Amino acid sequence: NAGVMQNPRHLVRRRGQEARLRCSPMKGHSHVYWYRQLPEEGLKFMVYLQKENIIDESGMPKERFSAEFPKEGPSILRIQQVVRGDSAAYFCASSPGQPRGETQYFGPGTRLLVL
Amino acid sequence: GENVEQHPSTLSVQEGDSAVIKCTYSDSASNYFPWYKQELGKRPQLIIDIRSNVGEKKDQRIAVTLNKTAKHFSLHITETQPEDSAVYFCAASRFSGGYNKLIFGAGTRLAVHP
Repeated sequence: NAGVMQNPRHLVRRRGQEARLRCSPMKGHSHVYWYRQLPEEGLKFMVYLQKENIIDESGMPKERFSAEFPKEGPSILRIQQVVRGDSAAYFCASSPGQPRGETQYFGPGTRLLVL
Repeated sequence: GENVEQHPSTLSVQEGDSAVIKCTYSDSASNYFPWYKQELGKRPQLIIDIRSNVGEKKDQRIAVTLNKTAKHFSLHITETQPEDSAVYFCAASRFSGGYNKLIFGAGTRLAVHP
């Protein structure tokens, strides 16, 4: 059973470009969370999605950031017009829902560098 | 808002000694408390978790204790080994109906010296 997959693992963008990060949850998992980790800091919740629905986006900046989890395909975190402050590691995690839905399994992360 | 504080930020021990990391949480409705280990450049890996209906849980050299009244939980690692060196994160959440937003502490960098 493959774990959570993320791509790309590293992404370099210039200011003003778009960054698109992908996350494929573990097989059978329908819940996806995105977290951001700044250097030397803990992980900060961004958004929680189930298939085709955004459940909680309270941790995501209102502008430039968006997320989706379509019926088919991976979850995507999209950052438009990137700025240097967006440089961070972005992790997604998936969980199976009931009955042990609380356990989250993390992907390897995408390290975004904005020049 | 929800907050998790973690101490110490760095911890240095000799191989074979014990290490203790402490966390406090602000949301009294929190009911799930996982601990993650993150090696440099790697993904966070779940090492142990505890639910609010349990006061203590142990898995080989790792144990976690929870004091709901004080809103405090701790990670204990015994007989530390160099491969235990990593950053450890505690987290707390209010798990309900499949929803489980984790609030993380800032992390503890553990160094185990041979």
